[in-house]
This record gives sequence, C-alpha cells and structure tokens, in this order.
Amino acid sequence: AQTVTQSQPEMSVQEAETVTLSCTYDTSENNYYLFWYKQPPSRQMILVIRQEAYKQQNATENRFSVNFQKAAKSFSLKISDSQLGDTAMYFCAFMTYTGNQFYFGTGTSLTVIP
Amino acid sequence: GAGVSQSPSNKVTEKGKDVELRCDPISGHTALYWYRQRLGQGLEFLIYFQGNSAPDKSGLPSDRFSAERTGESVSTLTIQRTQQEDSAVYLCASSVTGGRVGTGELFFGEGSRLTVL
Repeated sequence: AQTVTQSQPEMSVQEAETVTLSCTYDTSENNYYLFWYKQPPSRQMILVIRQEAYKQQNATENRFSVNFQKAAKSFSLKISDSQLGDTAMYFCAFMTYTGNQFYFGTGTSLTVIP
Repeated sequence: GAGVSQSPSNKVTEKGKDVELRCDPISGHTALYWYRQRLGQGLEFLIYFQGNSAPDKSGLPSDRFSAERTGESVSTLTIQRTQQEDSAVYLCASSVTGGRVGTGELFFGEGSRLTVL
C-alpha cells in the first residue's frame, strides 16, 4: 500500500525567511512521481513543484525547491524568501507510474507572518 | 473555459435529500478524479475515470455515492439520502492521461462545498 505522511499539521514563518515542510512516503514501487500542491484559502489546489523518482537532481521552481531522498523516501519542500501569498495548506502527493491513483498527505497549514 | 469547472460552488441541503455535483474537466483530459475534503483534513479519493475504461470506484464510501462520466466530458457525482457526515468540499481534478503517461499533473477545480443540515 502507498502512504504519504506529513508530520507537521501547522507551521509558521516570518516573511522573507525560509521554511521547510516535511513529507515521507511508503511504496514498493521504483518509478513514481512526487508532487507538492498548494491550497490557498480560495480553495483551488495548485501544483507547486513536481519530481520524478528516476531523476537524482532535485526539482526547483523559483523560490520553491525540494530535497528528494529516494532511499529514505523523503520529499521535503523548501520555500525561500517567504511571501504573504505563500500562506496556504500544502499537500504532498505521490503517484506511481503503474497506477492511476494519487495519494495525498494530510497537509501542512503554513502561515507567513508579516 | 481553460480550467476545471465545478458547480454548484456551494450547496446547502437537508438531511435525506439527494444532491448532484457537476465537474467539467479541461478539454482533452482523459482522466478525471473526484475527491472529498472534510474541514481541515486531506483529500480522500472517491472515484477515477480514464477515457472509456471502467471507472475505479474503490474510494466511494457507500452505495449512496455514485458518479457518471460520458466519454471524456462532464462528470456528475450524486449523493443520495444525504447525511450530515457527507458535509465536505468535493473536489474534481483532471489530467491528460492519468497516471500512465505524461507529467501526471492534476488540475483541480475550485470544489463544491456541500453542507447537510
């Protein structure tokens, strides 16, 4: 069975500072995708960043980067230079190449403090 | 429109009534997912459609829940004899081909908030 665990229900960070959100997963598959999605108060989920398991290089999208540790099954999200608009719920998600289901963590509520 | 469209945005109903929620995916997306999100919680998978294949209904919580999709177009999620525990946001998402090929990215609608009194 595939599971995704986010152990930090809530986090806060000062504006312009850096914060790291944790995510671990469990799978017996070797090929898969990992995602971080953001859900602001407006409710619509938006993709933040994506990582393919076969790629060793960590994905980066502007202020967002990941630390992907395949052996440890860890996929953390780093947000640099935090902005007020980063306040949202963040979900880690996992999808295998062979399956069709996305497995989501329970989310981390991030608040950026002015 | 360019994105996933869901209606109604908000629905308040009385216990025991039936409700129908609609999702219009992005044109050309063969895969469509329904999720349920209770207040302050994560996403609970309900059902998955891929093209004309038989849907994956493994996440439907009871036989009061059903969903339909004709081809690669609109999907409707129906909840019969609603209960208070059905209160949640129901999210629809679509992707180009589901999990097998491509980037795997899901595009979400804004959700339908259901409140059962």
